[in-house]
Order: sequence, then C-alpha cells, then structure tokens
Amino acid sequence: SAVISQKPSRDICQRGTSLTIQCQVDSQVTMMFWYRQQPGQSLTLIATANQGSEATYESGFVIDKFPISRPNLTFSTLTVSNMSPEDSSIYLCSVETYNNYGYTFGSGTRLTVV
Amino acid sequence: DAKTTQPTSMDCAEGRAANLPCNHSTISGNEYVYWYRQIHSQGPQYIIHGLKNNETNEMASLIITEDRKSSTLILPHATLRDTAVYYCIVMGKGNQFYFGTGTSLTVIP
Repeated sequence: SAVISQKPSRDICQRGTSLTIQCQVDSQVTMMFWYRQQPGQSLTLIATANQGSEATYESGFVIDKFPISRPNLTFSTLTVSNMSPEDSSIYLCSVETYNNYGYTFGSGTRLTVV
Repeated sequence: DAKTTQPTSMDCAEGRAANLPCNHSTISGNEYVYWYRQIHSQGPQYIIHGLKNNETNEMASLIITEDRKSSTLILPHATLRDTAVYYCIVMGKGNQFYFGTGTSLTVIP
C-alpha cells in the first residue's frame, strides 16, 4: 500500500493565522482525501482532491476556510485559514490503494490554536 | 454520510475473542464493508474488508450476514495492544469513506 508523509506532525498556532499542511505520497494516486478529527470525535471528511480539478468539499466545509491544492498525482496541501481555537483538531490525509484494500491514512497533523 | 451504526464501547478480557458488531442495513449489492482501527490518535489502520463471503486474515475475521445488513469483526485472541477505536465503513458513492462513531474497545488484563 501507499506510504504517506504528512507535515508538520504538530503545530501550535496563533488565532487569525493560517497553516498549510502537506501530504506527500510515494506513488501516484488519483484521489486524495482530507479529514478532520476534533478532540474525542470521529473523523469527518473535509474534501476530496483530484489532480487537475478543484477539490470537492463536504457540507459544512468551504474553500475559503480550507483551500486545497493538488498540483500532481503525489502531493496535496490543505490550508486552515484564519484559525480560531475551534480549529484545534487532528488533520489527516488519505489516499486510495489499488488493491481494493480501502484507503491508506497519514499519521496526521495535530493542530492547536491559541 | 456514515452508513453504519456500531455500539459506542465494549470491553473484552485479554486472551478472549472480541466480537464487534456493525449494522449497515442500507448497504448496496456491490458495496464492500471495511474495518479500520485507530489507536490513540494515530492514523486509522486497515484491518479487513469483505463483500459477502466471510473473510479471515492474520489480524481478524469478518463475518457478514447472508442479507449483508450487518457484520461482525472478530479479534480471536485480544491483547492489550488491541485497545483502540474500531470503525466499520461502507464506501460512499463517490468512493469516499464516511466514518461513523466507531466502537471503543478496551481490552482488560
């Protein structure tokens, strides 16, 4: 299965600032996904990012707040913009595997907004 | 949106089999059932998946009912390291994974 490198692993940010999270995959993949996991909660899908097209956002998530780039088949970024303490969460990227074993997840970025 | 329901929490004695149920009554005929687990805020880890036949691998067994409306993940000999949140997932129509609340399994010494 694919190996995902996600950076940074954690960060503490001031409110009102923005943070860009990077997701690098060791193989080419068509679909990449970004999730948010708030403290003590399950994972919530933010958006689906396909190379060559704009990301598709889930209900409750908007591009102005969570802009996503997908410049090629191995890389994507998620930016958390104008952060508030409510954005404190773990953000994870995920990619499909080609052996029907579902998806592979990165280790996540633990974000704390103060 | 999540298409599965699971009990919120379960306990299991170490060395015993852990049986984790999942309801997916609206599953379509060609949709697979996937099981993942998440250990203390790490990224979710694949366990097993199936369509309609029972499946077994080195980690677990998956029993799917004949009508496919429910399934059970079986960890045959639970260890303390199996303490985690277990998610049962049916893939969405856009090939997305929508996570439900999962089952928090605690393995007790």
